[in-house]
Parts: sequence; structure tokens; C-alpha cells
Amino acid sequence: EVQLVESGGGLVKPGGSLRLSCGVSGFTFSSYSMNWVRQAPGKGLEWVSSISSSSSYIYYADSVKGRFTISRDNAKNSLYLQMNSLRAEDTAVYYCARTSRSGYYFDYWGQGTLVTVSS
Amino acid sequence: DIQMTQSPSSLSASVGDRVTFTCRASQSISSYLNWYQQKLGKAPKLLIYAASSLQSGVPSRFSGSGSGTDFTLTISSLQPEDFATYYCQQSYTTPFTFGPGTKVDIK
Repeated sequence: EVQLVESGGGLVKPGGSLRLSCGVSGFTFSSYSMNWVRQAPGKGLEWVSSISSSSSYIYYADSVKGRFTISRDNAKNSLYLQMNSLRAEDTAVYYCARTSRSGYYFDYWGQGTLVTVSS
Repeated sequence: DIQMTQSPSSLSASVGDRVTFTCRASQSISSYLNWYQQKLGKAPKLLIYAASSLQSGVPSRFSGSGSGTDFTLTISSLQPEDFATYYCQQSYTTPFTFGPGTKVDIK
């Protein structure tokens, strides 16, 4: 069974940092691109970042470029999102999601982890 | 960036109704359009990919169509478990933008 489990969310002050993790099981992690998608309270979905299977290709939304860094450790079956210079508008539930083998849709999602940026 | 719009933003329907909602891209995205269902407090779930392909395990009452800039999601006979918010997403190019969603609630 495919499982994705996010962790690392919490309350952080503006300007602070946080590192999210997504542990996966039930599939060959090293063969799939992965993504982070967030959802602010009461709002819609916003794609944040994607990373290819070997980390060769990395993409970011403009809203987080220069502040967030996506990475992965294929040996540990884990995806990460290092978030720096956090702002109130980064408050959201952060989901990790797997890209399908065809590369064009997100076929499995984690349950999400809440990040709250507030003083 | 490609902008995605959805209409309506919300609709009220009854069990057994046929419902259709639309998604429009600001430029052609071929068939790189996906539909997700999200229930309150839960993660999104993939329903339809590549505009019209049904994800494994998704009931056949869900169907998608369209190409280019205009797409539709249809539920042929609404069931109680279908009351949720539906998002379209383009996967043609980054940023992989989502539409604002259509919320389906009980009439």
C-alpha cells in the first residue's frame, strides 16, 4: 500500500525556519518525482515545488523561490522542504504528493502537516 | 503562468442529480488537465487525469472531457459521498496551477 506521511509542521515566528519531511512506503521512491502542495486555511490548493527522481530537475512557485528548498534522500525514502524566511502568508497545510509514472498528475497524497507562521 | 478558472464556484444538488462543472485554462494545455476531489479536512484525491482518463478505483459515474482550454467534469448520478470540493489542475507546464475549486453541497 502506498503511504506518504508528512511531519515537521508547527508554529513558527515570521522570519523563522522550518523543515518538513515526507516519509514514503509501498513503492520504489527513487523512481518517482515528488511534489509539495499547500493549502491556506479555507483556501484552494497551491503547487509549491517539484523534484525529479534523481534530483536533477527542481521547480518552485514564484511565491517561495529563494526561500524554500526541496530535496530528497532516496536511501531514506524521504522528501524534504526546508522553509526559510517564513511569512504569515506561508501559513497552510502542506501536502507531499507523488507524481505518476507518466509524469503528468499527482496520484498519491499524504495527509498533510500544518504550518502556522505567527508572532 | 497559466491561469485556471472553474465554474460555478459552488452548486447545490440532490442525490441522483447529474452535475457538470467546467474548468478553463488561460491558454491551450492540450489534454494535460487533472481533476481532484477534496473532502473537508482530508487530502485531495485524484479522480481524472489527462482530461478524460479515470483513475483506478474511482467510480464510473465520474467522467471528464475536453482539450485545449475548455474541460468538464461530470458526475452522472450524485451520491452522498460525492459532496466535496473539486479542483482542476493543469500539468502542461510549471507552475502546475490549480483552479479555485467548485464546492458541491446538498440541496
